Amino acid sequence: KAGVTQTPRYLIKTRGQQVTLSCSPISGHRSVSWYQQTPGQGLQFLFEYFSETQRNKGNFPGRFSGRQFSNSRSEMNVSTLELGDSALYLCASSPGQGVEKLFFGSGTQLSVL
Amino acid sequence: TQLLEQSPQFLSIQEGENLTVYCNSSSVFSSLQWYRQEPGEGPVLLVTVVTGGEVKKLKRLTFQFGDARKDSSLHITAAQPGDTGLYLCAGYNQASGGSYIPTFGRGTSLIVHP
Repeated sequence: KAGVTQTPRYLIKTRGQQVTLSCSPISGHRSVSWYQQTPGQGLQFLFEYFSETQRNKGNFPGRFSGRQFSNSRSEMNVSTLELGDSALYLCASSPGQGVEKLFFGSGTQLSVL
Repeated sequence: TQLLEQSPQFLSIQEGENLTVYCNSSSVFSSLQWYRQEPGEGPVLLVTVVTGGEVKKLKRLTFQFGDARKDSSLHITAAQPGDTGLYLCAGYNQASGGSYIPTFGRGTSLIVHP
């Protein structure tokens, strides 16, 4: 069974630009959640999608958005990038019922210059 | 906001030593998970505990969930270099959307020297 795939692995952007990150979940998993990981704040929940609907959202500004497609693949978009958006962005997939094992991808390392 | 405090933040030990990592909160969680993350990779689930007072063992790792479900500990016996990594605890409660959302601690970075 293939794992969770995130692309790209690395990204370098400048302030004010926007970026789109992609996540392909494990086949059969309907829930995809996104997290931001920084040394100072740790791992913080961004949002979760289940069957193409955003089910929960963390405490991040509206510049952070996402969507999920009918095949459960998900994308995350960050507009008007700020230096503080530099982080490792992780997505995780799960079947989507209750407290489950989250399967994480290797992440996208975003650097904003 | 529910906060999970992990201690210590950093731990550097020699192979064969024992260690304990703590995860504490003022909030009650319905369940708690421990993950290990290696450099350049995403976290990997080690264990899920759901009952207050529950103890689970995974080879040399022992996990305990506090009686009041506000804290947890991870004890490693005879640490090995392969145990090196970032250990994260995550507390779960049901969110308004119906699903369970994790609140992660900031992690304990463990280095085991051969």
